[in-house]
Amino acid sequence: AQTVTQSQPEMSVQEAETVTLSCTYDTSESDYYLFWYKQPPSRQMILVIRQEAYKQQNATENRFSVNFQKAAKSFSLKISDSQLGDAAMYFCAYKREYGNKLVFGAGTILRVKS
Amino acid sequence: GAVVSQHPSRVICKSGTSVKIECRSLDFQATTMFWYRQFPKQSLMLMATSNEGSKATYEQGVEKDKFLINHASLTLSTLTVTSAHPEDSSFYICSARDYRSYNEQFFGPGTRLTVL
Repeated sequence: AQTVTQSQPEMSVQEAETVTLSCTYDTSESDYYLFWYKQPPSRQMILVIRQEAYKQQNATENRFSVNFQKAAKSFSLKISDSQLGDAAMYFCAYKREYGNKLVFGAGTILRVKS
Repeated sequence: GAVVSQHPSRVICKSGTSVKIECRSLDFQATTMFWYRQFPKQSLMLMATSNEGSKATYEQGVEKDKFLINHASLTLSTLTVTSAHPEDSSFYICSARDYRSYNEQFFGPGTRLTVL
């Protein structure tokens, strides 16, 4: 069974600084998808970024980028120029290419200091 | 973007009563919907997967007679918590997969259930 591990329960970053959230996963599949979701205090899940495993190029969405290391099964999220609105719980998630289910990590609480 | 709504956003009920939560895809057809449960500061736990017109598939350890799921149309799935007890108090989140976008789930805003 696939597992997703987020080893940082909480992280803090100063406003305008950069922070990296870690995620590792375990799978025997070669084709899959990885996601980072943000859950702010409103509890609404928001997709931050998506990475297809067959793509070598790291995904980027504005201030958010990932470092996808397929061999190491690592998928970290970098947030540049952190803003107060980035404060949230961040979840890393995995999905098999033709599967239904998302497998979530335990989450990382990100605090942004002004 | 695809929008998923949930109703109610919060509900308080007495122990022993049943509560129904609705999940709707507003601007797309959802062949598959998912129901999650989330405790404070914890991850989402998948409870069941429902496909339109067929019985839901429950995850191990989830009582199907306790949590009744119906997916009668391509835009609506319901979760009924039967004979609710205080330990059923939690945050319930649904998500829906657009048949055109196989790889992405769109999440509802969640329902906070409190059982007294």
